Amino acid sequence: DAGVIQSPRHEVTEMGQEVTLRCKPISGHDYLFWYRQTMMRGLELLIYFNNNVPIDDSGMPEDRFSAKMPNASFSTLKIQPSEPRDSAVYFCASSFLGRGVGEQFFGPGTRLTVL
Amino acid sequence: GENVEQHPSTLSVQEGDSAVIKCTYSDSASNYFPWYKQELGKRPQLIIDIRSNVGEKKDQRIAVTLNKTAKHFSLHITETQPEDSAVYFCAASNNYGQNFVFGPGTRLSVLP
Repeated sequence: DAGVIQSPRHEVTEMGQEVTLRCKPISGHDYLFWYRQTMMRGLELLIYFNNNVPIDDSGMPEDRFSAKMPNASFSTLKIQPSEPRDSAVYFCASSFLGRGVGEQFFGPGTRLTVL
Repeated sequence: GENVEQHPSTLSVQEGDSAVIKCTYSDSASNYFPWYKQELGKRPQLIIDIRSNVGEKKDQRIAVTLNKTAKHFSLHITETQPEDSAVYFCAASNNYGQNFVFGPGTRLSVLP
């Protein structure tokens, strides 16, 4: 398996523009997580899905952020409109619950810069 | 919800010395405690984890200890090497992956 795939790897946009980040989890995994990482706030869980259903979105900072998982192999995180304070590295991770919670496999991340 | 604290925030050790990072958690329902290593510019990767039914786990130079009564767990790295330099994150979760919370991280520098 190629691991968790994220695109784009880098995104530079201007304030007010819509940004869409994409993630393909590892095949067979039933959990998908979106994280945001900054120096100031560390690694923050934004939202996670179980079997394509959003379970906890309490980490989503505000209504400008939305996430979807239309099928088991694809998820998006959208920011509309984007603001400079959204600049961060966004990680997607997936895991397989199986017999209990286990390792989360992280994608390479998307480095977002909002000017 | 769960709250995970981690200390120290930065740690410098001489090559060959040991390093210890400590975490505390608040939710008594948490029973899964992983540790992730993140090298500069790379993704976090699991290095070791422990479940509440054991008090200690070792994997070569790294070990993790858990004290459920006190709600704290620690990462121990022995015979540190320069390639151990990274940010280390602890985390806590229940067995269903709920309330999965990362600590703020510890930046470890191993000086040659």
